This record gives sequence, structure tokens and C-alpha cells, in this order.
Amino acid sequence: QSVLTQPPSVSATPGQKVTISCSGSNSNIGTNYVSWYHHLPGTAPKLLIYENNKRPSGIPDRLSGSKSGTSATLGITGLQTGDEADYYCATWDSSLSAWVFGGGTKLTVL
Amino acid sequence: QVQLQESGPGLVKPSQTLSLTCTVSGGSIGSGGYSWNWIRQHPGKGLEWIGYIYNSGNVYYNPSLKSRITISADKSKNQFSLKFSSVTAADTAVYYCARDSATINSIDSWGQGTQVTVSS
Repeated sequence: QSVLTQPPSVSATPGQKVTISCSGSNSNIGTNYVSWYHHLPGTAPKLLIYENNKRPSGIPDRLSGSKSGTSATLGITGLQTGDEADYYCATWDSSLSAWVFGGGTKLTVL
Repeated sequence: QVQLQESGPGLVKPSQTLSLTCTVSGGSIGSGGYSWNWIRQHPGKGLEWIGYIYNSGNVYYNPSLKSRITISADKSKNQFSLKFSSVTAADTAVYYCARDSATINSIDSWGQGTQVTVSS
């Protein structure tokens, strides 16, 4: 059971927008920054969003992040088939004194 | 661009000690502002943080795992390592090494992971 809660899967068609939610508590998302990652099995996870809504160099602006209270959201617009992957949220938990992660959301672009 | 690569045995017997090494290139593990992490993913499950080392000697472990973990670093080889004692089948997972940056409050670089199976 992951500390952060994500939907197991989401799907949309090419060109559409999708959002992925990440729910936590006051000791993690409510207090600390949230990051988002893109992951394909057998490869290194890739940082998409840090500090809730900032994009590293090279990440397109069709990806966005937001946070409100104890929840965070990743948004992807202009979906492409290449966006199919697992997406994870992460943050530090001040009560557990540990990095914590969501269970991952599998994005399918139909 | 920093790169991380895990290495170690893919198969470990129950009750033995799992040993993994992460080799870092494109950056120094002695650089300030970074911590060097171990994270694992059980089959079909989410990610679990194991612990990190920073300043090449200070360590911080997941409280739920700390009795079985040792993380160390070798600056001369630009590597850091994980030792996980008394393993059981429940420790079967993909193990990742990763860097987190205090500048951006995030884990920003990962290795591609190495599969470790605990079985007799």
C-alpha cells in the first residue's frame, strides 16, 4: 500500500488532455514539494515536474503540475502515443522521515 | 548530465546479504547539495525508498528498514553501495539508485534499475 494514492490507470485519445491525481496527507504533500516522474519498465524514471509545478530543462510545456492542500495533479495536453508510460508522484514525508511515492498510474493513449 | 548505473548479483539466497553498487558518471558523489539514494520496486507495486548517503558519509535510512541496511560510499571510485542483510523472498524487487538535489527539492536522476531475486 503506497503512502500517496494515484489512480491505477487513465486513458485518453491522441490530442486530448489528461490529468493524474496524487493524494496524500498533511505530513507529506501538505507540507513538502511534489515531483512527478515518467517511467517505462527497464528504463530510468525521468523527472517531469519538481517543486509542484516546475519543469526541468527539456520537458515541454504541455506538461504541468499543480498542488492544492494535500493533493497534487499532473496534466498532459496534446497527448501523443509516445506519452504512454507509468507516471509516479513523490514527496518527502515529514512524519515518516522518508521519501514516499504514489503507486503509479498507467497512461494509455488510445 | 549525471548518469547512474546499478550493478550486483541478480540472484541472492534467503538469509544472505544483498550487495549492490551504484557507479556515478558525469558528476561527483562528493559534490555538495546532493544525496545518493537507494529505492526499490516490488513486482507490480509502487516505489519504496530505502535510504541515502550524503557528504560521502552521513546516512539516513527508511525507519522501517534501517535494522537491515548499510549504505556506504567510495569517493575514489565515485560509487555508493547498499548492503541489505537477512533477505527473504519479500526483498525481491527492482533496485534503483538515484540522486536527489537540495536545490530543487527532488530526486532528479535515476539509474535504470537492477532486478534482484531472492530464491534458494
